[in-house]
Amino acid sequence: GQQLNQSPQSMFIQEGEDVSMNCTSSSIFNTWLWYKQDPGEGPVLLIALYKAGELTSNGRLTAQFGITRKDSFLNISASIPSDVGIYFCAGQLGAGGTSYGKLTFGQGTILTVHP
Amino acid sequence: DSGVTQTPKHLITATGQRVTLRCSPRSGDLSVYWYQQSLDQGLQFLIQYYNGEERAKGNILERFSAQQFPDLHSELNLSSLELGDSALYFCASSPGTSFMVAKNIQYFGAGTRLSVL
Repeated sequence: GQQLNQSPQSMFIQEGEDVSMNCTSSSIFNTWLWYKQDPGEGPVLLIALYKAGELTSNGRLTAQFGITRKDSFLNISASIPSDVGIYFCAGQLGAGGTSYGKLTFGQGTILTVHP
Repeated sequence: DSGVTQTPKHLITATGQRVTLRCSPRSGDLSVYWYQQSLDQGLQFLIQYYNGEERAKGNILERFSAQQFPDLHSELNLSSLELGDSALYFCASSPGTSFMVAKNIQYFGAGTRLSVL
């Protein structure tokens, strides 16, 4: 099935460093989302983006919805040990009870933060 | 806690067997989605139900089926299991009652880890 191209696949950083990851698609999406998954848990939503060009922050996290609607990036500033986990981007065409609500996921970025 | 409950948390079975995974959505959510997470395929959409009706299908094998009951809980049935079906299976739910994406965020359960031996 279709997947988004997410990079990098993994990152090893020192505590306090900034992190950047991105996602690209060959087709457009109307919504971009970023989820984080901890071991043994399901993905948890971090940031949702609804308009092309939108820049949204959630604490130390900042994400942008690309102008072409085919890409998005996520930045994490001043990383801390609890940022460790797998980060997924996801694209969505529609919403709710429509048939366009499914999420298409990137392969994930594994983040390791060294204290 | 997302409010989405999945049972069982772990399931170990043998090839050729049939299993049922259960999902209780968040209170009030009408849409239920099933996803499969494997090492080689990542997170893949399987199927969506809305208020008891199938709404969309993804890469779901014919050996797999799902349904959503009147109380809105959903079950994913996997039959004639193969080694390659070993994966994490996630259920997500969203309200589904609005066409505004912002009001229809999907919340995920903790998943069921299926091991086929």
